Amino acid sequence: SAVISQKPSRDICQRGTSLTIQCQVDSQVTMMFWYRQQPGQSLTLIATANQGSEATYESGFVIDKFPISRPNLTFSTLTVSNMSPEDSSIYLCSVRTGGNTGELFFGEGSRLTVL
Amino acid sequence: GENVEQHPSTLSVQEGDSAVIKCTYSDSASNYFPWYKQELGKRPQLIIDIRSNVGEKKDQRIAVTLNKTAKHFSLHITETQPEDSAVYFCAASTDSNSGYALNFGKGTSLLVTP
Repeated sequence: SAVISQKPSRDICQRGTSLTIQCQVDSQVTMMFWYRQQPGQSLTLIATANQGSEATYESGFVIDKFPISRPNLTFSTLTVSNMSPEDSSIYLCSVRTGGNTGELFFGEGSRLTVL
Repeated sequence: GENVEQHPSTLSVQEGDSAVIKCTYSDSASNYFPWYKQELGKRPQLIIDIRSNVGEKKDQRIAVTLNKTAKHFSLHITETQPEDSAVYFCAASTDSNSGYALNFGKGTSLLVTP
């Protein structure tokens, strides 16, 4: 299993500002996955963060808006830049065990509200 | 990329009845198919998964079936209980160099009424 700590757990932000979400895992993993879950919606993959290389972004998500850092095998950050109300969502950090082919574990999520 | 379709979006059953949720996927290279349960205000958690070399897997009241030819898989919950009420998500992954991330369906909100 994997224990994932995310912070902040929630925040209220002003339009135009940026917020960085931190994710800490209790074991070393090569890949970390960032998902977004808008209210009442499914889980949408934002990007895959690999240690030592640039993150891989999914269609509709760009590095300028969602810069990601992955400084080591247990930590990653996701920044939501120049926020608008449409960015109000839950952002979830996740990892897979078993060499990236096992169960996907989620952090508790960071609930952002943009006013 | 992979596209996962999930039906129905909502499902209401009486306690003790069975519930079935169906998903289809588009990428024939997908080989890992998990199901997640998300209770209100909580993170999604794995309830069962199946890999492409198996056609069916069962864990107590929960079972998953996979038809690779038709590219669909289903979740079956028998003897439903009120605590089964939650949102269920299916997902698929190719688990290869083309990607290890899970692509999720839109979810099914299951309500089990006493």
